[in-house]
Amino acid sequence: NAGVTQTPKFQVLKTGQSMTLQCAQDMNHNSMYWYRQDPGMGLRLIYYSASEGTTDKGEVPNGYNVSRLNKREFSLRLESAAPSQTSVYFCASSATDKNYGYTFGSGTRLTVV
Amino acid sequence: EDQVTQSPEALRLQEGESSSLNCSYTVSGLRGLFWYRQDPGKGPEFLFTLYSAGEEKEKERLKATLTKKESFLHITAPKPEDSATYLCAVYGGATNKLIFGTGTLLAVQP
Repeated sequence: NAGVTQTPKFQVLKTGQSMTLQCAQDMNHNSMYWYRQDPGMGLRLIYYSASEGTTDKGEVPNGYNVSRLNKREFSLRLESAAPSQTSVYFCASSATDKNYGYTFGSGTRLTVV
Repeated sequence: EDQVTQSPEALRLQEGESSSLNCSYTVSGLRGLFWYRQDPGKGPEFLFTLYSAGEEKEKERLKATLTKKESFLHITAPKPEDSATYLCAVYGGATNKLIFGTGTLLAVQP
């Protein structure tokens, strides 16, 4: 009963390096989301995918790209990492694009030096 | 602008000392208000959804209530294992996405 699985759990990057954060869900959910969480800022939506084959920008999309590989998987890519992207990243999924209790992964703690 | 504000930022209670956390919101066309619990190093865990003013939900020592402008999470006789950050989020408004508050860090001392 895995729910939402994120990899890796921790990552340190140098400024300018690229990386992809992976997310997979096994609940047959249509919608998937990427959030970042920073102290004092709360959770902020980066990108979301309402259904397989679609992606849209959230509140803070600059510096990121996403791919909805299939219904299960939604990846987040940093093409050229910057220190401002140091954060904890959470992937979430929900049954539809409407409300109803998002299920979150355990997060990826990313540090850019 | 859609907004969610939680107070207090941090709360320290003695075991058994009941209290309430507040979540005030401004959003046009509220479609749901959510409470989540987040433990250190983990993702938020869903607790409750409230849909309309006057609605209440309960789970063990937690009770969530909703008015047209705010929600309260009442904690009755808390235990140390209730220590966590409690997040409030609203769904609706211009974006039709979850908008989160910054959370209340609750510490319950034995």
